[in-house]
Amino acid sequence: GDSVTQMEGPVTLSEEAFLTINCTYTATGYPSLFWYVQYPGEGLQLLLKATKADDKGSNKGFEATYRKETTSFHLEKGSVQVSDSAVYFCALSRNSGNTPLVFGKGTRLSVIA
Amino acid sequence: GAVVSQHPSRVICKSGTSVKIECRSLDFQATTMFWYRQFPKKSLMLMATSNEGSKATYEQGVEKDKFLINHASLTLSTLTVTSAHPEDSSFYICSARGEFGTDSGANVLTFGAGSRLTVL
Repeated sequence: GDSVTQMEGPVTLSEEAFLTINCTYTATGYPSLFWYVQYPGEGLQLLLKATKADDKGSNKGFEATYRKETTSFHLEKGSVQVSDSAVYFCALSRNSGNTPLVFGKGTRLSVIA
Repeated sequence: GAVVSQHPSRVICKSGTSVKIECRSLDFQATTMFWYRQFPKKSLMLMATSNEGSKATYEQGVEKDKFLINHASLTLSTLTVTSAHPEDSSFYICSARGEFGTDSGANVLTFGAGSRLTVL
């Protein structure tokens, strides 16, 4: 079945450091790919998405490119801030009606000043 | 944008009691809602798919009689944890599809803020 694998955390970075969180997926066909963020004590918020190969999703300085050839959707940010500390989830969904998301296990990011 | 409201955000109950969690889509109609459970420092586990006007579809390993799901209207789904026990303590999150018609079929889900259940 469909699955998402993302790098184990926690990840601890200094402010202004470069961030990469790896995400790879297994799915048949052409799923949509997402990154969700969960701040402490809150629910999930959509960070960015991509619906087809070579699409780049971006938001709040974060970027991820849908790579069909490597089945990857790595999350990057050039300069992280303390306020980016959160848990990041990679997810996929089939583009067929109201199907649920399949999530990776999440990566906890801590940014220190 | 699409908003999903989940209530209560926190609930503490005694073992053996039942707890109801509500999930409402505030500005759109959701024929389908999803209920997830999140264990500490773990990912989200899909519990069930809630369809308006019909029975919920439960994932393998989820007890139907323990976790009662009702989707009475296009904007409301409820999860009732019956005869709760400490092992049911968890963070429960609902979601519904939002952003209808705004993208090329992207299945974007809007999440509620979650409900933290603690069973003593």
